[in-house]
Amino acid sequence: SAVISQKPSRDICQRGTSLTIQCQVDSQVTMMFWYRQQPGQSLTLIATANQGSEATYESGFVIDKFPISRPNLTFSTLTVSNMSPEDSSIYLCSVDHRTQQFFGPGTRLTVL
Amino acid sequence: RKEVEQDPGPFNVPEGATVAFNCTYSNSASQSFFWYRQDCRKEPKLLMSVYSSGNEDGRFTAQLNRASQYISLLIRDSKLSDSATYLCVVSWASGSARQLTFGSGTQLTVLP
Repeated sequence: SAVISQKPSRDICQRGTSLTIQCQVDSQVTMMFWYRQQPGQSLTLIATANQGSEATYESGFVIDKFPISRPNLTFSTLTVSNMSPEDSSIYLCSVDHRTQQFFGPGTRLTVL
Repeated sequence: RKEVEQDPGPFNVPEGATVAFNCTYSNSASQSFFWYRQDCRKEPKLLMSVYSSGNEDGRFTAQLNRASQYISLLIRDSKLSDSATYLCVVSWASGSARQLTFGSGTQLTVLP
């Protein structure tokens, strides 16, 4: 299995600020995925991050709002920019490893 | 129409009961099917893959009907520890990546 860690595990932020979430995997993976899970909802894919290229964003998500970095095969960051209360959610990093999808523990974000 | 639809739940069942969850998907190009389990405030974890011929893993049985685009999960002799949200997940190839779509989840509570 792939072991994924995320930092921070939770944060409370003020409206208009930005937060960068880090994701670290214990093995090299080609693709990393960022999901959002809003309260009481299921997971929605934000973007797919390949090492060495720009992330691919899903409909409804844009790079200016959710910039992503993927500097190497074990690490990625997601930034939630200019936050509003509607961004309050759990953000999960995920990898596809040996045909199975593994998830990080998530970052619980509350925007006041 | 949602791409993956599940029983709305919640399901509250006594210990030892048999409970079944249903899921339908709209994308006929879907190739792989899974049930994930998500405990409260935790990340989703793979429970089992779903194969065309149906498959069983202990007390859990998964069925797939491609013609009807329908997936099911049967839990026999339910335990208190089965209490969780069960997510139906469908995937298909998107370029070089797998695209996963999650259902909204069905909440199960097993009562003593």
